[in-house]
Amino acid sequence: RKEVEQDPGPFNVPEGATVAFNCTYSNSASQSFFWYRQDCRKEPKLLMSVYSSGNEDGRFTAQLNRASQYISLLIRDSKLSDSATYLCVVPSGGYQKVTFGTGTKLQVIP
Amino acid sequence: GAGVSQSPRYKVAKRGQDVALRCDPISGHVSLFWYQQALGQGPEFLTYFQNEAQLDKSGLPSDRFFAERPEGSVSTLKIQRTQQEDSAVYLCASSLDRLGKLFFGSGTQLSVL
Repeated sequence: RKEVEQDPGPFNVPEGATVAFNCTYSNSASQSFFWYRQDCRKEPKLLMSVYSSGNEDGRFTAQLNRASQYISLLIRDSKLSDSATYLCVVPSGGYQKVTFGTGTKLQVIP
Repeated sequence: GAGVSQSPRYKVAKRGQDVALRCDPISGHVSLFWYQQALGQGPEFLTYFQNEAQLDKSGLPSDRFFAERPEGSVSTLKIQRTQQEDSAVYLCASSLDRLGKLFFGSGTQLSVL
């Protein structure tokens, strides 16, 4: 099993829709998880951390399922500006090293 | 500067040429990472520095790749005898030693012809 696996998409959704992405990870000892957003031809930027209790930031909700070893990102009321690639990130070393997934591409359609 | 700065933004190299990519991290950031991102893929880890110490270089694809951070701030990634498969975006990120909270530069897009 790869360290991090994501469905590459693309997910094409209409404006206002709710969309969810999952990301599976292999290291059961991982404690911290993150979602990054990457716009086309831009650098990745931290979107949100994923806590054991879940994390909500406006229209975005991140959740962790330890038993099944996956994290999820839910976007409600999708906006055109949400169109981007969403990267799942998990720790992979004894220090600060993290591993990125291949990303899930989201396209919000008018 | 306010963010991570990388130069050059674009680099075209002939196969066999040596290249040097520069990264200027956010002032005070202890941790510095280099990632390689191929088209349609996520960033792949290359190497990690904590201050001037290179603690992990397990992701460097071959001995043609070399990175340094001699004074614990600016870092240089050098690729010797470039090959076509080296074509990618090279991303630098720095962190205040908070796991997972990386600040990326805009990257250097390397094209090897």
